[in-house]
Amino acid sequence: GQQVMQIPQYQHVQEGEDFTTYCNSSTTLSNIQWYKQRPGGHPVFLIQLVKSGEVKKQKRLTFQFGEAKKNSSLHITATQTTDVGTYFCAGHQYNNNDMRFGAGTRLTVKP
Amino acid sequence: EADIYQTPRYLVIGTGKKITLECSQTMGHDKMYWYQQDPGMELHLIHYSYGVNSTEKGDLSSESTVSRIRTEHFPLTLESARPSHTSQYLCASSEDRGRGYTFGSGTRLTVV
Repeated sequence: GQQVMQIPQYQHVQEGEDFTTYCNSSTTLSNIQWYKQRPGGHPVFLIQLVKSGEVKKQKRLTFQFGEAKKNSSLHITATQTTDVGTYFCAGHQYNNNDMRFGAGTRLTVKP
Repeated sequence: EADIYQTPRYLVIGTGKKITLECSQTMGHDKMYWYQQDPGMELHLIHYSYGVNSTEKGDLSSESTVSRIRTEHFPLTLESARPSHTSQYLCASSEDRGRGYTFGSGTRLTVV
């Protein structure tokens, strides 16, 4: 079945440094979603990518969907302490309703 | 305001007790989900529903059951709680395939 792998599992950065998390699927995805979960909170939907090679930006966050629609990345420029949390990707397979979450990347930011 | 609600927020219960975790949404979403998550860790799908009278088991083997008698309500029941059930339980709903999930605030369950 479909698997969604996410790396790294943990990332610790100094405030102001950049951060990237990567998501890879064993199968082609119809779309991919990204979520952020603050410590003690619940996942919150950030964005969805649908098109091959799509790039979307939200302020300091840049989301990419690979040309083959099997991988995706989330890049944060100049991290801030408010970026702390776990970032999850989640991919939808074609022809079914199955969506799989990655294991998440836990980001900590040192002021 | 349209939202998804989970109760209770925290629950401490003894081994062997039967418990029901409540989840309700006011968005009219057909699709609803239950996930189990240890703090900051991976989300494990335990049950889902695509509409009234439709329920399916997810990936994680679970001794829980769900029902979907009304669109807005998707309760999760543990017939006999065990310490291994200690975790956070998250309910989510979505409008359609390809739309983002809206998560509830979760129920933190501790079984002693």
